[in-house]
Amino acid sequence: DTGVSQNPRHKITKRGQNVTFRCDPISEHNRLYWYRQTLGQGPEFLTYFQNEAQLEKSRLLSDRFSAERPKGSFSTLEIQRTEQGDSAMYLCASSSPGTKGRETQYFGPGTRLLVL
Amino acid sequence: DAKTTQPTSMDCAEGRAANLPCNHSTISGNEYVYWYRQIHSQGPQYIIHGLKNNETNEMASLIITEDRKSSTLILPHATLRDTAVYYCIVRVAMNRDDKIIFGKGTRLHILP
Repeated sequence: DTGVSQNPRHKITKRGQNVTFRCDPISEHNRLYWYRQTLGQGPEFLTYFQNEAQLEKSRLLSDRFSAERPKGSFSTLEIQRTEQGDSAMYLCASSSPGTKGRETQYFGPGTRLLVL
Repeated sequence: DAKTTQPTSMDCAEGRAANLPCNHSTISGNEYVYWYRQIHSQGPQYIIHGLKNNETNEMASLIITEDRKSSTLILPHATLRDTAVYYCIVRVAMNRDDKIIFGKGTRLHILP
């Protein structure tokens, strides 16, 4: 257990429905990342927050995806009008600058999404 | 970030040392070598990182060649629980965004 939690762990939904995932980072970490991982591939970066500010979004993050971190603590990732291609594991990670002079990202267990 | 090259898969007998190679021939002077692993159905787990000196912690050792163009992750006494995908990553020190660019990694099978 890294201290990063994600809920739900599994989600099955029908195509066209909206889904929302939550990530609770390690409490003192000010950076929070979302990644997506499809079968047989390594995780791919989606977006990143420093405190409540969303500082970077990947081109993988289409208009149907939105992420928030309203108070600089937990974060939510929402997918609207889900498509079968959205089926993947969604991973959250957190980090804090200055740890041993170098940031290390700690990952949560992920939310596995299946779109039928 | 620089690209890395890793074997697709490797086998290792339980109790033996597992040596996982990684090539990063285009690494820059300010890039660290990081290793993560991902056990099935879990998130990636940080293992170790280094710049140019060899590093050791409770999980593994990292050996970086003098020219820094390749490295080896060593699991000294592999157990069945070490079966996982191992990712070798190079990252710029204190980068603004610090996102990790993962490749496909090496799938390590520990054989009983």
